[in-house]
Amino acid sequence: QVQLVQSGAEVKKPGSSVKVSCRASGGTFRSDVLNWVRQAPGQGPEWMGGIIPMFARPNYAKKFQGRVTFTADESTSTVYMELSSLKSEDTAVYYCARPLDTRIVYDAFDIWGQGTMVTVSS
Amino acid sequence: EMVLTQSPGTLSLSPGERATLSCRASQNVGSSYLAWYQQKPGQAPRLLIYGASSRATGIPDRFSGSGSGTDFTLTISRLEPEDVAVYYCQQYGSASFTFGPGTKVDIK
Repeated sequence: QVQLVQSGAEVKKPGSSVKVSCRASGGTFRSDVLNWVRQAPGQGPEWMGGIIPMFARPNYAKKFQGRVTFTADESTSTVYMELSSLKSEDTAVYYCARPLDTRIVYDAFDIWGQGTMVTVSS
Repeated sequence: EMVLTQSPGTLSLSPGERATLSCRASQNVGSSYLAWYQQKPGQAPRLLIYGASSRATGIPDRFSGSGSGTDFTLTISRLEPEDVAVYYCQQYGSASFTFGPGTKVDIK
């Protein structure tokens, strides 16, 4: 049974950065696509991008290019999402999510982490 | 960029009634790249339907999906109290992912 376990809630100041982790268990990890999705309060989810750990070549949504970085640590089966230059509008729950078919980059999201609340406030 | 519109915004029905939720895309999604999710408060979204009409593992058969092109529908044949949630559509056919704004389903 594949599980995605994320790091805990964060409170950050505007202009700072946040780094959220997502540890995968039960899958093949290095060849699996893992995506990041965020959801602001009362809004629909928003895709931020994805990464395949073995290629270490992230695919970022246009909106976040230049401000987000995805990395992967194969030794701990963990992917990281770092978002910089934080603004109040970045306040959201951040999820990692795995597709139904992990060999397909663009597929429905079958398994989700529990979510990490990031609050940006002065 | 693909935009998804969902209607209605809120749906209030009695237990046992049929719920029909709509999702409209600004461009052709194709027949296979549309998913539906259910989200309850404080939880991550749960995949219900993928490929427009295939039920995900463990999803009750009262949930069904249909449609192609730009118009898609999620139907809950007989509403149960545990179906109270927000439902989102998602497209994944345009080299990115887009979600709709959601339809909230309430029980009267």
